Amino acid sequence: NAGVTQTPKFRILKIGQSMTLQCTQDMNHNYMYWYRQDPGMGLKLIYYSVGAGITDKGEVPNGYNVSRSTTEDFPLRLELAAPSQTSVYFCASSYLSLNANTEAFFGQGTRLTVV
Amino acid sequence: ELKVEQNPLFLSMQEGKNYTIYCNYSTTSDRLYWYRQDPGKSLESLFVLLSNGAVKQEGRLMASLDTKARLSTLHITAAVHDLSATYFCAVASNYGGATNKLIFGTGTLLAVQP
Repeated sequence: NAGVTQTPKFRILKIGQSMTLQCTQDMNHNYMYWYRQDPGMGLKLIYYSVGAGITDKGEVPNGYNVSRSTTEDFPLRLELAAPSQTSVYFCASSYLSLNANTEAFFGQGTRLTVV
Repeated sequence: ELKVEQNPLFLSMQEGKNYTIYCNYSTTSDRLYWYRQDPGKSLESLFVLLSNGAVKQEGRLMASLDTKARLSTLHITAAVHDLSATYFCAVASNYGGATNKLIFGTGTLLAVQP
């Protein structure tokens, strides 16, 4: 049972570099989310998607971009990495909306360091 | 804007003791979730609370929801070391219509001492 899969698990970037964090889910979930978790803090929503072709900003979207071309995949793009983007990134998915009797399932996280 | 607050932020307790973690949120919602996170790991779903007065129990953990007070509690009974982790509450929020976001509290780091 794969669930939500994130790659890579770890990455070090130099300031100004770009990268894409990959997220794939095999549960046919409509909703997908990207969160970041800074040390000792809670999770902040970056972007979310309610289905293929539809994305929207969360609490902290600046410096990131997303796309949702398929139900399974929801990549997160950092165009010009900055030290403030050093964090652990979690992808999550859920079936339909969270107003139903559903929960969000999380990937294992990507630990990103920008130096 | 929905805000979710947890307290305490850090809780050190002895094995065998009872304690409660509180989760307050600022706008109307009737969907609240509790998650557990072990160090360096992902989040594990503990409870989904769907209506006012909902109570769920699993082992030594019991969660409840009071939507009128916008308050959820996670009660720990006779704590054991294995319960040491960070516990997050999260609230489902409507923004701009039918879509939903899951907004997290700051987390409570629980350390159970022998």
